Amino acid sequence: QVQLKETGPGLVQPTQTLSITCTVSGFSLTSYYMQWVRQTPGKGLEWMGFIRSGGSTEYNSEFKSRLSISRDTSKNQVFLKMNSLKTEDTGVYYCARGVQDFDYWGQGVMVTVSS
Amino acid sequence: DVVLTQTPPTLSATIGQSVSISCRSSQSLLHSNGNTYLHWLLQRPGQSPQLLIYSVSRLESGVPNRFSGSGSGTDFTLKISGVEAEDLGVYYCVQGTHAPYTFGAGTKLELK
Repeated sequence: QVQLKETGPGLVQPTQTLSITCTVSGFSLTSYYMQWVRQTPGKGLEWMGFIRSGGSTEYNSEFKSRLSISRDTSKNQVFLKMNSLKTEDTGVYYCARGVQDFDYWGQGVMVTVSS
Repeated sequence: DVVLTQTPPTLSATIGQSVSISCRSSQSLLHSNGNTYLHWLLQRPGQSPQLLIYSVSRLESGVPNRFSGSGSGTDFTLKISGVEAEDLGVYYCVQGTHAPYTFGAGTKLELK
C-alpha cells in the first residue's frame, strides 16, 4: 500500500538549514508529483513546492531562494532543504503525493526553530 | 495568490445532523484544461490531513458517501449528510488550479 514517511531534526537553530527526507513506498516517484506542505501556528497550511515525476521542480515564491526540493528515485526518497531558518518556520512539515491534488500524506515531522 | 475563504470557522453539530461548509475563492478555479482543482481535506486531531473530495465533487476511495461536494467557479460547498463521531476535526478546502496552491483557514467541526 501507499506510504509516505518524513524524517528530520526536531530542533534547528535560527539561520541554519533544515533538511527533511520523505521516504515513500507502494508507488514510483517517476510516476507521481511529490508536494511539500507545512503547517505553522501563524499561517496554517502552506504549499511549499513540488517535484514533478520527471524531476523538475516548482516553488512557492513565498520561500524565495531558501527552498530546494530534490529526490533519489533509487532510494524512493524526496528531500526538502530550506536555509536561513527563522523562528516563524516552526511547524509540522508534510510530504504529500499528487499533481494538483494531495491524495496521500505522510505523518509529518515537527520542526522547532529555536536557539 | 488565490485566497480561499471558509465559513463558518467553527461548526457545532449533533450526531446525525447534516451540515455544510462553504469555500469561496478570490478568483475562478476553472483551469484552462477544463478541470476545477478544488479539493476538501479532513484533519482529525493529532493526524495529518486526508483527502475526502477531489475536483469539486469526486469522492476519494474509501470515503463514506455521506460526504459530498458541489460548486463551480468561485463558490464551493462540502456537505456531510448525517455527522458521525469520526467526522470531528478540521476541514480544509485547497485549490490546485493556480500556483501557488493555497488552503482555506479551516472549519472546525465539533460535537454540540
